[in-house]
Amino acid sequence: AQKITQTQPGMFVQEKEAVTLDCTYDTSDPSYGLFWYKQPSSGEMIFLIYQGSYDQQNATEGRYSLNFQKARKSANLVISASQLGDSAMYFCAMRGVHASGGSYIPTFGRGTSLIVHP
Amino acid sequence: DAGVIQSPRHEVTEMGQEVTLRCKPISGHDYLFWYRQTMMRGLELLIYFNNNVPIDDSGMPEDRFSAKMPNASFSTLKIQPSEPRDSAVYFCASTLTGEAFFGQGTRLTVV
Repeated sequence: AQKITQTQPGMFVQEKEAVTLDCTYDTSDPSYGLFWYKQPSSGEMIFLIYQGSYDQQNATEGRYSLNFQKARKSANLVISASQLGDSAMYFCAMRGVHASGGSYIPTFGRGTSLIVHP
Repeated sequence: DAGVIQSPRHEVTEMGQEVTLRCKPISGHDYLFWYRQTMMRGLELLIYFNNNVPIDDSGMPEDRFSAKMPNASFSTLKIQPSEPRDSAVYFCASTLTGEAFFGQGTRLTVV
């Protein structure tokens, strides 16, 4: 079974600084995908970035980058130049083979609350 | 595409009443998921469909919960009878092969 672990319940960062949100995963499948979502106080789940298990390079999307270390089974999200609007919950998720056999079933971590200070 | 559409956005109901949550996935997506989010348990997968067929409903907490997907563009999650502990945000999401796209969620309060 696949498992996602986010060990940081809360993080604080100064505006304009970079911050790293940790995510480790566990799976026995060779093919999987890793995602990060942002959930602001308004409640919607916003997709941020995706990394495939066979991708050679770390994924980047604007100020977001995913530090993918396959051997360590970690997929940390790095937010550069933090902005006040980055304050939100951040969820790491993994798509892999579910216990039911389905291949595209996201499993989510418990999330990390990020607060950006001015 | 307008994205995943859920209704209602908010629902307040009395204990014992039937509640029906609705979802319209993104056109062309063949997977549909229902999640429940609470502070205590985080995001829980309740059930998912592939090509309108329920594949795994092991996350459905009790027989009071049921879900249907009569066609590729519509799904419902029903709770009958509702209880206060069902209060949560319920998300519908859909995907084809990549990231799951979420609806805005339905905030359910059972009093």
